[in-house]
Amino acid sequence: DAGITQSPRYKITETGRQVTLMCHQTWSHSYMFWYRQDLGHGLRLIYYSAAADITDKGEVPDGYVVSRSKTENFPLTLESATRSQTSVYFCASSQTSGTADTQYFGPGTRLTVL
Amino acid sequence: DAKTTQPNSMESNEEEPVHLPCNHSTISGTDYIHWYRQLPSQGPEYVIHGLTSNVNNRMASLAIAEDRKSSTLILHRATLRDAAVYYCILRTYYGQNFVFGPGTRLSVLP
Repeated sequence: DAGITQSPRYKITETGRQVTLMCHQTWSHSYMFWYRQDLGHGLRLIYYSAAADITDKGEVPDGYVVSRSKTENFPLTLESATRSQTSVYFCASSQTSGTADTQYFGPGTRLTVL
Repeated sequence: DAKTTQPNSMESNEEEPVHLPCNHSTISGTDYIHWYRQLPSQGPEYVIHGLTSNVNNRMASLAIAEDRKSSTLILHRATLRDAAVYYCILRTYYGQNFVFGPGTRLSVLP
């Protein structure tokens, strides 16, 4: 069982370029999330989605765009990458938003913006 | 948001039990206590969660204080593979995400 996968695992890009990070889950979970993790910070939520075609902002959404046309996919796009977006990005999914529910995380994408 | 406080780091010897504490004095009655861990270069991994009663699973045990203002994650026999950052998280009713603090970095010595 694949679970939740992210691609690419590593990406180097230049300032101003558009970059899309992919996330795919095989559980048909309703909720999907994008976090970023920087040195000195915990994980911070960028965007989340409660279902296909339903998305909402998290704590740090500026500079990012998301879409969710299919339940299993939740791509994250940096429309014009900046050096401050150098980070490790984690995708996660959960069946519900209930307080007892578990989030399952992908392996992460390490993005470097030069 | 309800917050948690954990020690920055802890050390343990291999094959000994480890008790990882977490304080959450502002916890509300409906907040679940979740524990996740993050191994080096990996995404966070679910460990255990509970509301009021102590919980056990194949990975660990969770001991919750009677007043719920603190909890302890117990690894019964630490292995080298258990070296990770452990996060104690309160899951609030209205929150859509998990709020990760800095966690406790556990080192396991052979």
